[in-house]
Amino acid sequence: GNSVTQMEGPVTLSEEAFLTINCTYTATGYPSLFWYVQYPGEGLQLLLKATKADDKGSNKGFEATYRKETTSFHLEKGSVQVSDSAVYFCASSNNAGNMLTFGGGTRLMVKP
Amino acid sequence: GAVVSQHPSRVICKSGTSVKIECRSLDFQATTMFWYRQFPKQSLMLMATSNEGSKATYEQGVEKDKFLINHASLTLSTLTVTSAHPEDSSFYICSARDVKSPEKLFFGSGTQLSVL
Repeated sequence: GNSVTQMEGPVTLSEEAFLTINCTYTATGYPSLFWYVQYPGEGLQLLLKATKADDKGSNKGFEATYRKETTSFHLEKGSVQVSDSAVYFCASSNNAGNMLTFGGGTRLMVKP
Repeated sequence: GAVVSQHPSRVICKSGTSVKIECRSLDFQATTMFWYRQFPKQSLMLMATSNEGSKATYEQGVEKDKFLINHASLTLSTLTVTSAHPEDSSFYICSARDVKSPEKLFFGSGTQLSVL
């Protein structure tokens, strides 16, 4: 079955620092890949996604590129803000698109 | 955007009692809802897929009689943890698939269950 591995947190950064959260996956076939974000006290929200190799998903300044050769989908942002403090989950879907496999989540803390 | 309401957000109960968690899609219809469980520092684990009007499909290793799922309407699915024990303490989260946009999943805010 699918599996997703992401770096453990917490990741602590100063405002305007560069962010990378690593995510690698194993899967049969060609999964879609997602990053979800969970702000304190809220539910998971879809941040961005990519459905095929070399696709780049982007939203709110965050980007991630679907790298089939390295089975990775690392999340990046050039300049983080305090409001980006949250838990970020990497996920992959099965081929049918009806099931998600999540990584363990990475807590990001951005200090002013 | 679409909202999934999950209630309660936190519950503490005694061992042996049953706890019901509700998952409602507030502004869309969901023929399919999913229930996940998250242990501390581990990934979300899919427990079961809930389909409106039919029996839920459970993942391997999930006890059907322990985790009762009912999806009686297009906007409500419930998960009942029966005869809860301390090892059932966990974070439970639901997600719902919009029948009009099946590629989208919307998540509830989760329920932290603590069994004493």
